[in-house]
Amino acid sequence: DIQMTQSPSSLSASVGDRVTITCRASQTISNYLNWYLKKPGEAPKLLIYAASGLQSGVPSRFSGSGSGTDFTLTISSLQPEDFATYYCQQTFSSPLTFGGGTNVEIK
Amino acid sequence: QVQLVQSGAEVKKPGASVKVSCKASGYTFSRYGISWVRQAPGQGLEWMGWINPYNGNTNYAQKVQGRVTMTTDTSTSTANMELRSLTSDDTAVYYCARGSYYDSPFDYWGQGTLVTVSS
Repeated sequence: DIQMTQSPSSLSASVGDRVTITCRASQTISNYLNWYLKKPGEAPKLLIYAASGLQSGVPSRFSGSGSGTDFTLTISSLQPEDFATYYCQQTFSSPLTFGGGTNVEIK
Repeated sequence: QVQLVQSGAEVKKPGASVKVSCKASGYTFSRYGISWVRQAPGQGLEWMGWINPYNGNTNYAQKVQGRVTMTTDTSTSTANMELRSLTSDDTAVYYCARGSYYDSPFDYWGQGTLVTVSS
């Protein structure tokens, strides 16, 4: 199985901050990498697909980059509704696997 | 608009089975696969498997292979996930999610179904 390692596991930030979350795959996955936002009691929401594609309806402050084994999710200016847990997911090979999550908290 | 509406919460005893349903609307059901993902309390997301409603093909995670069966009913646009021989480790919120193929991103999700396994 491909292991997905996210860092940091949690971070504290203020509204307006630039936030970067990284995700590393245990083997190359090309660009088969997606990012989701999850809030307690809600279903996950797709933010970024294929490493850098912005899902329809997702604000442009979210962006993704990377290929191979190293990937990044960036929020250019953190908004109050962005405080949540973020997960990366590889869809390169079965079983599909998620990172452990990054909890973004209010400073 | 695309919607996936799941069945309600379940409480089961160890060793029992549970069946969770996911009714789709707002798109052609047979054209998109359905994955099932679960989240145990305080834990991350875990993919369980995928089904193609067009032909019934499935791809199960090895961790649940042998205990899980995913089916679809195209006449009602409903996907079902049955998990057998439940243990307390199966206590989780279960989600269905839409993806064209098993390696596609999940663009729409159900609201989640809490399954509690307790004696």
